[in-house]
Amino acid sequence: AQSVTQLGSHVSVSEGALVLLRCNYSSSVPPYLFWYVQYPNQGLQLLLKYTSAATLVKGINGFEAEFKKSETSFHLTKPSAHMSDAAEYFCAVSEYNNNDMRFGAGTRLTVKP
Amino acid sequence: DSGVTQTPKHLITATGQRVTLRCSPRSGDLSVYWYQQSLDQGLQFLIQYYNGEERAKGNILERFSAQQFPDLHSELNLSSLELGDSALYFCASSPRQANYNEQFFGPGTRLTVL
Repeated sequence: AQSVTQLGSHVSVSEGALVLLRCNYSSSVPPYLFWYVQYPNQGLQLLLKYTSAATLVKGINGFEAEFKKSETSFHLTKPSAHMSDAAEYFCAVSEYNNNDMRFGAGTRLTVKP
Repeated sequence: DSGVTQTPKHLITATGQRVTLRCSPRSGDLSVYWYQQSLDQGLQFLIQYYNGEERAKGNILERFSAQQFPDLHSELNLSSLELGDSALYFCASSPRQANYNEQFFGPGTRLTVL
């Protein structure tokens, strides 16, 4: 079965610094990959998704992620952090015709002024 | 606002009790998913329904059950509640069965078992 590992349960960056949240996946077939964001006391919101088209995926709020098959990775980046980016971020994986989406444990991003 | 609604927002109950959580998917969405989010287990997929039929099961306990009604709303029933069932329960919906479609999450129901 597919799975996701998010490296680092907490990441802290300064405002204006690069954001890098790491995600590695395991899948026996080409995966579909997602990044979701959860703000306090809210549900999850999709940031971006990879569904076997372009390997560099651009999402909302200036985030992007690159699918690297050789590294089984789908890391999330943003060139310049904003205070409003403080939230929990989840990487998720699913497989074609498999209805079971697996989420990583989440990474809590803190942005320091 | 994702368009997915969940009621109630908060629920406080005692061990051994039974509760029902309700979810209304986005207009037109046929799939409904239930998730449990707790500090120790993270976000866990429980079960999926598609157009009234169960399609996939995740880490759902036998004490828990769900159904999707003809109007596509869904209910998650939790019985013989234990302290460890305290968690946020999310419902999500998507328009098609295949998982490459985005899932739209509701705001969640926070269940506290005392």
